[in-house]
Amino acid sequence: AQSVTQPDIHITVSEGASLELRCNYSYGATPYLFWYVQSPGQGLQLLLKYFSGDTLVQGIKGFEAEFKRSQSSFNLRKPSVHWSDAAEYFCAVFVSGAGSYQLTFGKGTKLSVIP
Amino acid sequence: EAQVTQNPRYLITVTGKKLTVTCSQNMNHEYMSWYRQDPGLGLRQIYYSMNVEVTDKGDVPEGYKVSRKEKRNFPLILESPSPNQTSLYFCASRVILAASDTQYFGPGTRLTVL
Repeated sequence: AQSVTQPDIHITVSEGASLELRCNYSYGATPYLFWYVQSPGQGLQLLLKYFSGDTLVQGIKGFEAEFKRSQSSFNLRKPSVHWSDAAEYFCAVFVSGAGSYQLTFGKGTKLSVIP
Repeated sequence: EAQVTQNPRYLITVTGKKLTVTCSQNMNHEYMSWYRQDPGLGLRQIYYSMNVEVTDKGDVPEGYKVSRKEKRNFPLILESPSPNQTSLYFCASRVILAASDTQYFGPGTRLTVL
């Protein structure tokens, strides 16, 4: 079965600093990968997704992610963090086939931003 | 406006009192699913439905039921709620045509079972 690991439970960065959130997946074939953000008390918003082609994916709010097949990783990056980026971030992998059709989430990384 | 709606948004109930959380989408999506979110565990899928009258278990189905009588609605039923079902619940929908398509999430329902 597919799985997603986000090694960092909580990350704190200063406003204006760069950010990288790690995500590793376990899946046999080429995965469809997503990053979602959840602001406090809010629902989930899609930041970006990868399904084929260019391994560097641009998303909303200045975020990007790079798919590295050799490392089974899909890390999220932002060159300069804003205070409004404080939220919880979830990486997810989508799998279909063999009777399964499922979006599996990591446990999330909470981002705190210091002014 | 394309959206997934859930009702109620907040619910406090007592152990054993049957409840239903409704979910509706206006995008004509075939696929709908329910997740629960718990601190430190992320989102875990409870049930999903590929189309009308087609439902299947996700990762944590125990204690829950669903039905899909109409394409737009996918209610989550707790026949006898217990305190360990206190959680934040999200409904989601998507098309099935392409795996790369976006999954849309509802605003969430915060359930407390006393």
